[in-house]
Parts: sequence; C-alpha cells; structure tokens
Amino acid sequence: EAGVTQFPSHSVIEKGQTVTLRCDPISGHDNLYWYRRVMGKEIKFLLHFVKESKQDESGMPNNRFLAERTGGTYSTLKVQPAELEDSGVYFCASSQVPGTRKFFGPGTRLTVL
Amino acid sequence: GESVGLHLPTLSVQEGDNSIINCAYSNSASDYFIWYKQESGKGPQFIIDIRSNMDKRQGQRVTVLLNKTVKHLSLQIAATQPGDSAVYFCAERNNAGNMLTFGGGTRLMVKP
Repeated sequence: EAGVTQFPSHSVIEKGQTVTLRCDPISGHDNLYWYRRVMGKEIKFLLHFVKESKQDESGMPNNRFLAERTGGTYSTLKVQPAELEDSGVYFCASSQVPGTRKFFGPGTRLTVL
Repeated sequence: GESVGLHLPTLSVQEGDNSIINCAYSNSASDYFIWYKQESGKGPQFIIDIRSNMDKRQGQRVTVLLNKTVKHLSLQIAATQPGDSAVYFCAERNNAGNMLTFGGGTRLMVKP
C-alpha cells in the first residue's frame, strides 16, 4: 500500500512569490491533515479536512495560506505571497477516522529567500 | 538538513545500550499520547502509543512510561541499534482526536 506522498520534496522561492504544495493521502483515508515545522519551532497543526470539508483550520497562521481538497482526494496548500518566516517543512498526514493512527508524508521543505 | 536552525537536545548512546528519551506534556486533560520517530528525509513515523488509563506499554524493544502526576512521558529503547538514530517526538492528542501537539524533539545518536 502506498503511503502519504507530497510534492515537491523541496521548494526554493523568493519572498513575495507563490508556492503550492500538494499532498496525496493514503487511498481511502477521508481525514487529511497539514502540519508544519518552521525554523526553531515544534511541529504545529495547521488544519484538518474530512473529505473535501475543512473540519478544523484553527492552526492556519494567516490568510496568506489557502488549503483546498477538491473532490476529497488530494489536497493543496498555497502560500501567497510567501514570507521569510514561512520557511520550514510542511507535513501532510492522513487517517481513516480522526481518532486513529495518522500516517505522515515525507514533507515538503520550503525555503523562502 | 531539515533540522537547520532547530537546536534539538541530543542523546548519544553506545550501540547495544538502552536509551531513555523524556518528554513533558502540557495538557493535563490529554488522554492519548504517541511517540514518533523521524529519520532524515522522512516524515514522523508512529512508534508506540499509550492511553491515560495506563502507565506503561511495551512494544518490540520499546517501552513508553506515562506519569500523569508530573505530566511526563518517556520512551525507552532496549539494545539501541544504529538504525534507531533519528529524532524522536512525543505528541498528545486533543479530545476531538484530530489534532496532535508535538514536543520539541530529541535527537538520538547511536555510536557503533
């Protein structure tokens, strides 16, 4: 069974540009989560999708971040415009139901110059 | 690497020795805790979990201890191997089950 995949593995952009990260969850997992670890900080929750609906977006830092999951399969996380403090690693995870084990993808390392 | 800029406490052990990694959590109402292992270039991988109605749980070569009185978790790895070298995170899950709150992580280095 394929695990959670993320694309790209690494992205380098300049401040003010736009970047879109993609996550493909494990097939059949309705629950999809985004987390990130920015420089010097812990891994932090961003948001949670159940199918195509945003169940909890309490961790989204500001309106420069937009997450979508059209069709309830893969998800994208767009940062527009990117700022220096957005640099870090963005993880996606999925689970069958919220309370069960979450499987994490390898992450996308975002570097904003 | 991924940890650039993130200064993690480091535990260095000799191959074959036992390792103990500690973690303090913040929410006394948390009822479920997980230990994750993160190797370079990979995402966090589940190791072992424990519910708040238990104080100890054992897996293969790993044991998690929970002390609710002082809000403390520990992960014990028996006969540590080079493949155990990684960053280890504890996490507590919220009551809704959807959100994990991670600790800062500990880097384990195993010397051959």
